[in-house]
Amino acid sequence: GAGVSQSPSNKVTEKGKDVELRCDPISGHTALYWYRQSLGQGLEFLIYFQGNSAPDKSGLPSDRFSAERTGGSVSTLTIQRTQQEDSAVYLCASSLDRGLFQETQYFGPGTRLLVL
Amino acid sequence: AQSVSQHNHHVILSEAASLELGCNYSYGGTVNLFWYVQYPGQHLQLLLKYFSGDPLVKGIKGFEAEFIKSKFSFNLRKPSVQWSDTAEYFCAVNAKIKAAGNKLTFGGGTRVLVKP
Repeated sequence: GAGVSQSPSNKVTEKGKDVELRCDPISGHTALYWYRQSLGQGLEFLIYFQGNSAPDKSGLPSDRFSAERTGGSVSTLTIQRTQQEDSAVYLCASSLDRGLFQETQYFGPGTRLLVL
Repeated sequence: AQSVSQHNHHVILSEAASLELGCNYSYGGTVNLFWYVQYPGQHLQLLLKYFSGDPLVKGIKGFEAEFIKSKFSFNLRKPSVQWSDTAEYFCAVNAKIKAAGNKLTFGGGTRVLVKP
């Protein structure tokens, strides 16, 4: 079946501009996660959506970062006033959420963001 | 909060050699453990996982990992590597509690280069 998809695959932007990154999770997966993969910080958690609950935003590095999930499916990660340190690969993952605390996350191909 | 350490940042070995990658985590409670692999130009893929039960788990492509609770370790092994195992390997953990929200904490990754 279809996996997690992300768009765009690459994005080059100028410092100070806003960017939007999109994630389409696996159909039926109610949990959605955003992570960031950068040279200096490795793979780090950003934000987590679980069904209709309020998102866990504990990993967002600053208030320039925000995310929303419309209709329980597609999610958009927005970075306002981008900075060079925002350059990274942004990864989206999805999973089932059956309340069992043992779910597997499946990752998308990522969006490679370069801020000039 | 959890943390994950992968001791080797780079490993170079020849085909048919045995591979063992170390992973240690710090967390006082019950955890789920994962190894993900990222082949060159590809996205993160699940290699294997441990939720409960037999601490020796087998994954895809001949990989296995052993959970040793007393050592907080989840080392990855393969008896005989192939050139196609060249990739970056990530150990990850999440806590089995609702407050953790299934979010993964990753180790820094180990880049493995298998010489033909």
